[in-house]
Amino acid sequence: SAVISQKPSRDICQRGTSLTIQCQVDSQVTMMFWYRQQPGQSLTLIATANQGSEATYESGFVIDKFPISRPNLTFSTLTVSNMSPEDSSIYLCSPWEGGKAFFGQGTRLTVV
Amino acid sequence: GIQVEQSPPDLILQEGANSTLRCNFSDSVNNLQWFHQNPWGQLINLFYIPSGTKQNGRLSATTVATERYSLLYISSSQTTDSGVYFCAVETAGGTSYGKLTFGQGTILTVHP
Repeated sequence: SAVISQKPSRDICQRGTSLTIQCQVDSQVTMMFWYRQQPGQSLTLIATANQGSEATYESGFVIDKFPISRPNLTFSTLTVSNMSPEDSSIYLCSPWEGGKAFFGQGTRLTVV
Repeated sequence: GIQVEQSPPDLILQEGANSTLRCNFSDSVNNLQWFHQNPWGQLINLFYIPSGTKQNGRLSATTVATERYSLLYISSSQTTDSGVYFCAVETAGGTSYGKLTFGQGTILTVHP
């Protein structure tokens, strides 16, 4: 299974600022996804990170708020822009390999 | 979109007890996975089981796709089994490949 490294593991940010989360996978994966887990809630899919093209966003998520890059098959970034306290969540990247989803530790974001 | 319902929402056990977690889904699926999120937030993929039965040690899972449900069995529970168990499905259809919809989870607490 893929080994996933996310940075930062946690951060406390001021409202109105932006944070870029990095996701590094130890193998090349065709498909990679970004999820959000709000406090005490389940996971919700934000977008599909497509290598070499724009990400595909799910309903309720927009590129201006959550720009995503996928420059190669082992790396992706998610930026949370113009943050508000409602953005406080765990953000997880998830490579898809062999029909299975894998997750790293995620990035625990608190917006104050 | 597809609805995924898990029951029970909370479960408290004494060490050594057995339990059954249920996942109902509202539409045909290509893929169903069970995850365990430990108290530190790490998500572990337990089973990839779109149909049939699988076993891994004290854990087993059964999916009856025609009746749209899956069961996760935990036998001889241990305190390390504590955490949240999520069921996640990929809706049947080409546009949903790799995109998982998660249930709300079952919070399991195992007391020594």
